[in-house]
Amino acid sequence: SQQGEEDPQALSIQEGENATMNCSYKTSINNLQWYRQNSGRGLVHLILIRSNEREKHSGRLRVTLDTSKKSSSLLITASRAADTASYFCATDANNNDMRFGAGTRLTVKP
Amino acid sequence: GEEVAQTPKHLVRGEGQKAKLYCAPIKGHSYVFWYQQVLKNEFKFLISFQNENVFDETGMPKERFSAKCLPNSPCSLEIQATKLEDSAVYFCASSQSTATEAFFGQGTRLTVV
Repeated sequence: SQQGEEDPQALSIQEGENATMNCSYKTSINNLQWYRQNSGRGLVHLILIRSNEREKHSGRLRVTLDTSKKSSSLLITASRAADTASYFCATDANNNDMRFGAGTRLTVKP
Repeated sequence: GEEVAQTPKHLVRGEGQKAKLYCAPIKGHSYVFWYQQVLKNEFKFLISFQNENVFDETGMPKERFSAKCLPNSPCSLEIQATKLEDSAVYFCASSQSTATEAFFGQGTRLTVV
């Protein structure tokens, strides 16, 4: 069964606005990763956050992790049209496999 | 290689035919994962390998799907007697360890007609 669940399923914003996507999971994890997928192509890795970390930044991306709530959020600040893509969270539980959610489809309008 | 290479990019099979997909992980990566994505929806985990050993195959439909990762050969995912619902993009990923990022190939689009 899938581990992560992203919400919302779809998000549409104007260029320059911030986009926040959430991911919830069910079991204890070692780490959580966020990926981006453009138009059905391969996944591009964005950020890995470990279970003992609470926040991580990379450029315009900010990821938080709350292990007590079993949830993570991805914030994209000052969004651009090129950020239009599907975003997936993947969790790595103790069996070492990555499990993905259904993703959030982000549309950034110019 | 420096990227995960999946071949072929597209594969069309008649219902009941066999389909075989290949994945060359990044050199030095010990873990290989296979995922199935139907209609740009969620990624369904199929199977993982640690080197040539199956690590977890809980996602594999047991009857028709099989996979291998043999030394000095690309990994492969084989579907016997394909069905229409097998139509999907199959992604392969590799990583050095479970604590590092996974790199994904561009996928193989399988269409069963």
